[in-house]
Order: sequence, then structure tokens, then C-alpha cells
Amino acid sequence: AQSVTQPDIHITVSEGASLELRCNYSYGATPYLFWYVQSPGQGLQLLLKYFSGDTLVQGIKGFEAEFKRSQSSFNLRKPSVHWSDAAEYFCAVVGWNTGFQKLVFGTGTRLLVSP
Amino acid sequence: EAQVTQNPRYLITVTGKKLTVTCSQNMNHEYMSWYRQDPGLGLRQIYYSMNVEVTDKGDVPEGYKVSRKEKRNFPLILESPSPNQTSLYFCASRTGTSGRARGTDTQYFGPGTRLTVL
Repeated sequence: AQSVTQPDIHITVSEGASLELRCNYSYGATPYLFWYVQSPGQGLQLLLKYFSGDTLVQGIKGFEAEFKRSQSSFNLRKPSVHWSDAAEYFCAVVGWNTGFQKLVFGTGTRLLVSP
Repeated sequence: EAQVTQNPRYLITVTGKKLTVTCSQNMNHEYMSWYRQDPGLGLRQIYYSMNVEVTDKGDVPEGYKVSRKEKRNFPLILESPSPNQTSLYFCASRTGTSGRARGTDTQYFGPGTRLTVL
């Protein structure tokens, strides 16, 4: 079964600094990968997704992610963090062995932005 | 505006008192799903529905029921809630029902329902 690991529970970044959130997946075939953001008291919003093709994916709010098959990773990056980026971030995968019927989520990484 | 709505947003109840959390989407999506979010566990799927009158269990279905009598609505029912069902619940929807291509469709999430069972 597929699984997703987000090794960092919390990350603190200074405003204006760069950000990288780690995501590793376990899946036999080419996965479909997603990054979602959950702002305080809000639902989940899709930042970006990867299915195939170009391994560097651009998303909303200035985020990007790179799919690296050799490392089974799909890390999320942003060159300059804004205070409004403080939120919880979830990596997720969906795959054929569940008939594409569910997203399997990581445990999330909470991003704190310091002034 | 395309959206998934849930009601109530917050609910405090007592053990054994039946409750229903409603979910509605206005995007004519075939697929709908319920997740629960718990600290350190991420989101886990409870039930999903591929279309009207078609539902199936997710990873953590025990203690929950669902129904899909209309395409837009997918209520979550807790017939006898227990404290271990205290959680944040999300409803989601997307187009399509199955197949590799549909797996790429974006799931849209509701704002969440925070449930506390005393």
C-alpha cells in the first residue's frame, strides 16, 4: 500500500527566507502526488499536483515542488516565505491499488514564520 | 462559487447521542468522501461514494454511516458517538469515479467540522 512520510512535524522559517518541506512516498508505480495547505480554521486547499512529465511543478502562491523518483521524494519549496504562509502543509498520494478512490496523506508539517 | 459546505462547523455532544454532519457540493461532482483529521495521524478516509446510492468503506469506517440519496449531499452519521470519535472531519468531492485519469482530478475540501464527544 502506498504511504507518505513527512519527517518534519514543525518548521520555523524567518520571513523572507527560503522554505523546503520534505515529503517521501512509498509506492510501486508512478504516483500521483499532491500538496495541500491548511490555514488555521480552514479547509484544505490544493497547492499543486504531479502526475507525469516535467518533474518540477509550479503551484499557487509561489510554491513549487520537484518529483525525484530516485529518492521517492516530492519536496515543496518556496524561495521567499511570507507571514501569511504560516499554516499546516500536507503531502498526499493517490494510486491504482485503491482504484484512485482515496488520498493517502502524510501527517503534516506545521510551518511557523518568524518576523 | 464552487464549494463544499459542511454543517455544523462545531459540535459538542455526549456519548451515545446520535448526530449527523451534513455535506453538500454545488459542482455536480460524482465522487464524495469523508476524512477525519487527528494530530500526528494526518487525514484518514472514513467512507467514500462514487455516485448516488454507491458507497464504500475507507480506512476507518467503524462507528460511522453514510448515505448518498442525492448527488450533491453526502451526510455522515454517528449513531452512537464515543469519545474516540472526537476529531476534525472533512468532506471532499471531485469529478469522476474511477480510473487512472480521474485519479488526477483535484479533490475539493469543505471547511471542516470540529466534533467533541464527551
